[in-house]
Amino acid sequence: KNEVEQSPQNLTAQEGEFITINCSYSVGISALHWLQQHPGGGIVSLFMLSSGKKKHGRLIATINIQEKHSSLHITASHPRDSAVYICAVNTGKLIFGQGTTLQVKP
Amino acid sequence: NAGVTQTPKFQVLKTGQSMTLQCAQDMNHNSMYWYRQDPGMGLRLIYYSASEGTTDKGEVPNGYNVSRLNKREFSLRLESAAPSQTSVYFCASTPTRVLNQPQHFGDGTRLSIL
Repeated sequence: KNEVEQSPQNLTAQEGEFITINCSYSVGISALHWLQQHPGGGIVSLFMLSSGKKKHGRLIATINIQEKHSSLHITASHPRDSAVYICAVNTGKLIFGQGTTLQVKP
Repeated sequence: NAGVTQTPKFQVLKTGQSMTLQCAQDMNHNSMYWYRQDPGMGLRLIYYSASEGTTDKGEVPNGYNVSRLNKREFSLRLESAAPSQTSVYFCASTPTRVLNQPQHFGDGTRLSIL
């Protein structure tokens, strides 16, 4: 079993929908990262969090350290949000999830 | 503001050929990393350089060598390419080796080995 599991693997949504992507991990961590990889391939760091919640624009990331779980929410989704979303945990090294492929249709 | 620049963007090699992937960052970061990304798998660390003059193996170093040429540049070399090394390679950098800070990634190099 992978130390970092993301769900769902693939997600299709209609423009305007509220989206949730989940990340569960089985190891002790000091922080968790959410990354975005656009169809062109470049990877951008969205959030780094070790507790609670962070918000940037329409993106919200939460983490529950006790439950070893994090969620990435996208409000009022838009086709330009279509990308692969990756979570990574810091255990002293970074362990990456397999990614969630999101497609938002107009 | 270029950030992390990787060259080339695409490359096709024959088995046994050698090549060097180049990475340069203009953010004065101390630490740099090379990852590979394969379908169905998360990014995996090949090598990293915590600071100029040092390099260390990551999770999947076999078949690769690296050089931290100076603070800006960190290259990855395949001495004798194998089909199993077909992958997308990403270079990244951080201000220090502390991993509780965002990583800055290049756009990737898509490498196919026939």
